[in-house]
Amino acid sequence: GESVGLHLPTLSVQEGDNSIINCAYSNSASDYFIWYKQESGKGPQFIIDIRSNMDKRQGQRVTVLLNKTVKHLSLQIAATQPGDSAVYFCAEVGPSGTYKYIFGTGTRLKVLA
Amino acid sequence: GAVVSQHPSRVICKSGTSVKIECRSLDFQATTMFWYRQFPKQSLMLMATSNEGSKATYEQGVEKDKFLINHASLTLSTLTVTSAHPEDSSFYICSALQVGVEAFFGQGTRLTVV
Repeated sequence: GESVGLHLPTLSVQEGDNSIINCAYSNSASDYFIWYKQESGKGPQFIIDIRSNMDKRQGQRVTVLLNKTVKHLSLQIAATQPGDSAVYFCAEVGPSGTYKYIFGTGTRLKVLA
Repeated sequence: GAVVSQHPSRVICKSGTSVKIECRSLDFQATTMFWYRQFPKQSLMLMATSNEGSKATYEQGVEKDKFLINHASLTLSTLTVTSAHPEDSSFYICSALQVGVEAFFGQGTRLTVV
């Protein structure tokens, strides 16, 4: 496979603090990027996406930043809540027309009460 | 968002038997569906791309005779794990592509081979 994880890195944050989750993608030709949230035993849940012609996109409590120069994505979650505890994956799609989603290694977010 | 239904959600089978997993797009037509495998504490690994009416495209290292994919209609793709062994135990996830929108994921199937 194109994305092989070993052990998921874990980010622990206090409830109410902001979280920043980072992801490095592999293909400079990828033109669409998505952040997913996955809870235990469930499929990935769409959070937010961004196209390669943008460098920032905001949603409700979440912001995605894209740095194409260094092939880096980040997900910022404002005022992190216990319900945000999950594993977060970035996915890159492309090049245009292939619709092939390749997932990053993932980060486990633990929200501390 | 669009709904993708995956069935069964959990299955336990004996070593040597075959298991079929279904992936259905409930409210849109999907000419392309994807199958992923996920080991505990790891990311989703793309196994194959399933195209309606044609042969699936498998990723490097995935045995096509082991993981049979059929995409006979615009709303259904199936993954059959043939002659399953304990090392095939994993979480299998499908997604269905709504062109011009995005890929929508099923809830996954936990396969345990005993």
